[in-house]
Amino acid sequence: QKEVEQDPGPLSVPEGAIVSLNCTYSNSAFQYFMWYRQYSRKGPELLMYTYSSGNKEDGRFTAQVDKSSKYISLFIRDSQPSDSATYLCAMSDEGGTSYGKLTFGQGTILTVHP
Amino acid sequence: DAGVIQSPRHEVTEMGQEVTLRCKPISGHDYLFWYRQTMMRGLELLIYFNNNVPIDDSGMPEDRFSAKMPNASFSTLKIQPSEPRDSAVYFCASSLQGAETQYFGPGTRLLVL
Repeated sequence: QKEVEQDPGPLSVPEGAIVSLNCTYSNSAFQYFMWYRQYSRKGPELLMYTYSSGNKEDGRFTAQVDKSSKYISLFIRDSQPSDSATYLCAMSDEGGTSYGKLTFGQGTILTVHP
Repeated sequence: DAGVIQSPRHEVTEMGQEVTLRCKPISGHDYLFWYRQTMMRGLELLIYFNNNVPIDDSGMPEDRFSAKMPNASFSTLKIQPSEPRDSAVYFCASSLQGAETQYFGPGTRLLVL
């Protein structure tokens, strides 16, 4: 079993739809949770960063972390064609020998069509 | 700032040849990471440095892979000898004071024939 599981999709939605992207994980030591967006033939770019449980909102994007269920989500409201990309979840623990290491999900391919 | 710079952007080589990938991190960043991305395995951390010192190389697949960071503004990832299964996109990333906010370069697309 992988430490981080993410449905690769692909996911296709119409413009304006609400998109829900999810990851589950098995390592209870994970404390930092991130979402990266990767456009085709580009490097990943950090989209959202959350520490521990709770919600974080940034414009049309909301990140949720439920540590009790080991489940994280990214919601995109009023999705736009420019949101079409691969979305990768990533997580790390608080430190020790693993400080500096991110574990990534497989990535979900999202297409928003006009 | 120019961001993380990687070279070459594309590399095509034959099996058995030596391949050297280069990375210039963002100025002032003290962490540097090398990743490999494939369709099958996703994004995998190969090795990372803190203040030019290798901290964790447990992701390096085998002895054919080596990485160096001779100074704060330059790192190399070398594959010798290269094999077709090394074909992937190799990313370099840098960050300041930790792993959470990493800035990725554009990647090097490596094809080993």
